Amino acid sequence: EPEVTQTPSHQVTQMGQEVILRCVPISNHLYFYWYRQILGQKVEFLVSFYNNEISEKSEIFDDQFSVERPDGSNFTLKIRSTKLEDSAMYFCASSRGEAISGNTIYFGEGSWLTVV
Amino acid sequence: AQSVTQLGSHVSVSEGALVLLRCNYSSSVPPYLFWYVQYPNQGLQLLLKYTTGATLVKGINGFEAEFKKSETSFHLTKPSAHMSDAAEYFCAVRKSSSYKLIFGSGTRLLVRP
Repeated sequence: EPEVTQTPSHQVTQMGQEVILRCVPISNHLYFYWYRQILGQKVEFLVSFYNNEISEKSEIFDDQFSVERPDGSNFTLKIRSTKLEDSAMYFCASSRGEAISGNTIYFGEGSWLTVV
Repeated sequence: AQSVTQLGSHVSVSEGALVLLRCNYSSSVPPYLFWYVQYPNQGLQLLLKYTTGATLVKGINGFEAEFKKSETSFHLTKPSAHMSDAAEYFCAVRKSSSYKLIFGSGTRLLVRP
């Protein structure tokens, strides 16, 4: 069964460093998402991306964050200058069609980011 | 604003017993409703979803949920728990006009032999 894959599974970084989390969405999917879950808290929406543009973002997704689809297969989340509070599990997700139309969103296994 | 409340951060049942995981939502417009499951060291997997139509929705692994608009609830049930059902379960809601899923805080299901 096709799946969303994420790398790395776990990354430790120093505060202030840049981090890039990578995702390979399911191959025929067109809509891409990032969510995060801080330990002990709810899963939170960060951003949705379609046709090389951000289609929706949350208030969490400030100028520190950016997303990119650098080629036909990868979807990346960049955190420019990491803060301690960025420590979380980051989930990539994708859907074939618009989630708005009820299409299922498929999640990856997550990338655990620890900022020290 | 939309929100999701899952009653009980932990639910423990015996193998073979009924599973009931509660989810209530608040939304100003009819939402889409979802249940996701997360097994240890794995991602979120969709169990079932309600968008429109029949209010009793059947999902994978024998789970089902009923959308009750009058009660703003979308409780998840399974008639007979199996050891393999032990996992964390998340209820989520989304407005039909938005890409954003809003998750509850999750309920960890423990299944006793």
